[in-house]
Amino acid sequence: AQRVTQPEKLLSVFKGAPVELKCNYSYSGSPELFWYVQYSRQRLQLLLRHISRESIKGFTADLNKGETSFHLKKPFAQEEDSAMYYCALSGKTSGSRLTFGEGTQLTVNP
Amino acid sequence: NAGVTQTPKFRILKIGQSMTLQCTQDMNHNYMYWYRQDPGMGLKLIYYSVGAGITDKGEVPNGYNVSRSTTEDFPLRLELAAPSQTSVYFCASSGQTGVSYNEQFFGPGTRLTVL
Repeated sequence: AQRVTQPEKLLSVFKGAPVELKCNYSYSGSPELFWYVQYSRQRLQLLLRHISRESIKGFTADLNKGETSFHLKKPFAQEEDSAMYYCALSGKTSGSRLTFGEGTQLTVNP
Repeated sequence: NAGVTQTPKFRILKIGQSMTLQCTQDMNHNYMYWYRQDPGMGLKLIYYSVGAGITDKGEVPNGYNVSRSTTEDFPLRLELAAPSQTSVYFCASSGQTGVSYNEQFFGPGTRLTVL
């Protein structure tokens, strides 16, 4: 069975500080990992996916197969980064279906 | 494009009542999904569809039904509402999968309360 775990429900940092949102997964195979974000009063949207190896809004995430992790990082947090972040997994056996973690509410304080 | 639209935005039901949550997408996506979001629990897949006329159960299908008569519409039916179905419901869609799995686009959600 596939599973995604986000150990921190709440994370609070100050503006300009580094931030790391943790995501661990279990899947027997090669998964595809995603980070979705939900800003206040907006709909859930894709932030980034591991196969793109891109940086979006200063965020990056590296898939570590050895540690089965896909942590989201940003070196200097901004107040507009405050949002709910979800890590999600898709695998060959699940097709296009996503398994979501429980989410982490990030608050960036001024 | 409007993307994925959901109606209603909010609804209060009494125990035992029934209702249909509407979902429409205008992106010609084959794949559509219904999720429920409970506080601190993330999103759980209720049902999904890979094309018109094809639906399948997700992780938490009990108490719900779906149909997919057109590419655009994917309504979710609650037949006998129960307090455990109080949640926020999200509809999503994605395009044809290829080598990689495509991004899912989400609707704004329907907040349902069952009293």
